[in-house]
Amino acid sequence: DSGVTQTPKHLITATGQRVTLRCSPRSGDLSVYWYQQSLDQGLQFLIQYYNGEERAKGNILERFSAQQFPDLHSELNLSSLELGDSALYFCASSVGGIKGDEQYFGPGTRLTVT
Amino acid sequence: EDKVVQSPLSLVVHEGDTVTLNCSYEVTNFRSLLWYKQEKKAPTFLFMLTSSGIEKKSGRLSSILDKKELFSILNITATQTGDSAVYLCAVAPYNNDMRFGAGTRLTVKP
Repeated sequence: DSGVTQTPKHLITATGQRVTLRCSPRSGDLSVYWYQQSLDQGLQFLIQYYNGEERAKGNILERFSAQQFPDLHSELNLSSLELGDSALYFCASSVGGIKGDEQYFGPGTRLTVT
Repeated sequence: EDKVVQSPLSLVVHEGDTVTLNCSYEVTNFRSLLWYKQEKKAPTFLFMLTSSGIEKKSGRLSSILDKKELFSILNITATQTGDSAVYLCAVAPYNNDMRFGAGTRLTVKP
């Protein structure tokens, strides 16, 4: 158990819908990262927040957005969902700074778009 | 464009064998390289490497980084069936846009 929690574990929704994935980092961690993992794309970095502010952006679609709240939990919002958005979405957290690269992953949310 | 290439993509060995997994990278403003193990769930952290030539070791696993030749290796000695997993290499540049390789799928047969 990494100490990172994600909800829900599974999500099934239809094309065109909007969903919100939630992540609570490990106690003491200030950074939260979001990743998408699909069979054909591997693990793709989406976005990072550090202490409430966006720190880095990867391959995140405009239909996707995220935020980190004052209590440090984070939400990833996916809208206008397409079949290709079906994937495993991981959240990871780290302390931040040079040691911030040691990321601890949550169990993931499996999104299925039908 | 930044990239991380792992080889081989898959590997089948028998218990007791020693394996070497490779990771080469091209990244602007390199900060660190990380190894993760992924079984049927989330990746778990193994090592973070920032300096060339300094071996990191944890039990039967060890890893080293060569910043001149831009690669890292992960060694597993005396493999066990529990080592079966996908091993992911990731590179963290200073802009924090982490790049992951496709992974090496290791299967250890009894």
